[in-house]
Amino acid sequence: EIVLTQSPGTLSLSPGEGATLSCRASQNFGDTYLAWYQQKPGQSPKLLIHGASSRATGIPDRFSGSGSGTDFTLTISRLEPEDFAVYYCQQYGSSPYTFGQGTKLEIK
Amino acid sequence: QLQLQESGPGLVKPSETLSLSCSVSGGSVTSSHHYWVWIRQPPGKGLAWIGNVYFNGGVFDNPSFNSRVSISVDTSKNQFSLKLRSVTATDTAIYYCARGVRSYNGHVFLDQWGPGALVIVSS
Repeated sequence: EIVLTQSPGTLSLSPGEGATLSCRASQNFGDTYLAWYQQKPGQSPKLLIHGASSRATGIPDRFSGSGSGTDFTLTISRLEPEDFAVYYCQQYGSSPYTFGQGTKLEIK
Repeated sequence: QLQLQESGPGLVKPSETLSLSCSVSGGSVTSSHHYWVWIRQPPGKGLAWIGNVYFNGGVFDNPSFNSRVSISVDTSKNQFSLKLRSVTATDTAIYYCARGVRSYNGHVFLDQWGPGALVIVSS
């Protein structure tokens, strides 16, 4: 089973700043089968990025994904108040599909 | 607009079977482009992929659940279901159903989620 490690565990930033979230895999799972989800308190996760860098429908272009192999990044430029949430990465290249433990993005 | 809704008992006794259904509206479980997926999240913790089913009945279940999982699809009701046998307190979690988008080579990411159902395992 592939383990995804997200860093940092918590990121404290102010609205308007940029955020960089990391997701590192314990081994290569082939191509760019990596997705990012956003989860707000009391809500189900929401797809942001799939294929490592493709934004899901309706996701603002301040969200961008990059990476390949074992290292992936979610970048949020110009944080909006609604962006403060928990973010999860998920690999879907190797079964069983697995999630990272999450990065909490909080308001500083 | 696709909507998914989980339903089932919110309280299950230890050693019994957890049973949940997911009703799909605004789309069809017979879509060849999608898998139908169960994920869970223990309170305050991360996400785990339980398993998935295809419209033809093909199933994958995560080995981490030690063969306790059964997932099925009912095309006549446009819904799919989860059974988790021999539950313990560690199975207490929010259970989500979701739609998986099937890539050309079968890889699956999740584009739509239900609101989730909290299931507590307790006597």
